[in-house]
Amino acid sequence: AQSVAQPEDQVNVAEGNPLTVKCTYSVSGNPYLFWYVQYPNRGLQFLLKYITGDNLVKGSYGFEAEFNKSQTSFHLKKPSALVSDSALYFCAVRGPPGGQNFVFGPGTRLSVLP
Amino acid sequence: DVKVTQSSRYLVKRTGEKVFLECVQDMDHENMFWYRQDPGLGLRLIYFSYDVKMKEKGDIPEGYSVSREKKERFSLILESASTNQTSMYLCASNTGGDLNEKLFFGSGTQLSVL
Repeated sequence: AQSVAQPEDQVNVAEGNPLTVKCTYSVSGNPYLFWYVQYPNRGLQFLLKYITGDNLVKGSYGFEAEFNKSQTSFHLKKPSALVSDSALYFCAVRGPPGGQNFVFGPGTRLSVLP
Repeated sequence: DVKVTQSSRYLVKRTGEKVFLECVQDMDHENMFWYRQDPGLGLRLIYFSYDVKMKEKGDIPEGYSVSREKKERFSLILESASTNQTSMYLCASNTGGDLNEKLFFGSGTQLSVL
């Protein structure tokens, strides 16, 4: 079965420092991986996805993610954090082949401190 | 931009009431989804629909039903609300065919069942 783990409930980082939000996955078949962000009182917004190709994927708002097949990881990164990046981040994997579902991780709350 | 609109931002209902949550999307998407979001659990799929009048159970369908009479509208029904259905409910949509297509989310409905 497809599953996603986000090992950190909370990540704190100082403004201007690099940030990493971790995600590991377990899938049958090829992994189709996504990151979404949820700002307060909002729905989720798509950040980026990995389907195939280059292991470093660039997305919205300066975020990028690195796919590592051997470690089954898809960590979200940003070189220089902004206070406005403070939000809840969800990693997701496409559901079983032939299905339409996405399986989401539990979420990681990122706080960027001024 | 795609817009997914959920009819209510906040709802307060009594135990045993029948509750309707409405969702409308304006981009002619084939697929529509209902998730519930609970802290530490991420998003869990309740039901999804891949066409008018078609529906599939997700991971936690018990206590819920859905209706999709028109392509743009997907309703979630709580037949007899219970306190353990207090949650944030998120509607999402995407196009059919491409299994890797990102989800577009509404802003969510925070339901409290007293």
